[in-house]
Amino acid sequence: QVQLVESGGGLVKPGGSLRLSCAASGFTFSDYYMSWIRQAPGKGLEWVSYISSSGSTIYYADSVKGRFTISRDNAKNSLYLQMNSLRAEDTAVYYCARDLYADYCSGGSCYSRFDPWGQGTLVTVSS
Amino acid sequence: DIQMTQSPSSLSASVGDRVTITCRASQSISSYLNWYQQKPGKAPKLLIYAASSLQSGVPSRFSGSGSGTDFTLTISSLQPEDFATYYCQQSYSPFTFGPGTKVDIK
Repeated sequence: QVQLVESGGGLVKPGGSLRLSCAASGFTFSDYYMSWIRQAPGKGLEWVSYISSSGSTIYYADSVKGRFTISRDNAKNSLYLQMNSLRAEDTAVYYCARDLYADYCSGGSCYSRFDPWGQGTLVTVSS
Repeated sequence: DIQMTQSPSSLSASVGDRVTITCRASQSISSYLNWYQQKPGKAPKLLIYAASSLQSGVPSRFSGSGSGTDFTLTISSLQPEDFATYYCQQSYSPFTFGPGTKVDIK
């Protein structure tokens, strides 16, 4: 079945770096756009970054622009998030999610939606 | 950036109740609106996409409506497994989530 499994979370000091990974299975990974979304403890969801199927188009939330880098390896069915210059406010559960962008199009427009999501990996930034 | 608001922020309801949650965008987003359900300690689950399309496998008691700036998620008859937090999300440019609506037991 379709599955996403994140890894790489942990405790890191402010200013430090961490690389998250997301292993995909059960679908043709190279056909799909992917995103990272995070959720601070007790808070709502915040979209972090998006990458197109080929990796040619990338977007970031303003809150992480210049510090985080999204990438993918379609040969390894894997998505990555390199996080540098980490701050306390980056503390969150980080989810990867598949974007079903091209699965539903109507009137010349295609509609992004995230499904499924991984189980999440916790990143804690603290001294 | 497009901002999303939801109302109410929380509500208490009983099994069998009809529940309506509203989501508003700061500018027109056409029908680029999705709804997710999240239970404690779990990843969000897609319920509704493109404002009114039911995701495969989601019970028909869930429905969505709206376009432009105002959207609604309706649960026609609340079931015990529906107590959760619900988020709207715009996918017009690029992505923003609403703050969430927590549905708990009255």
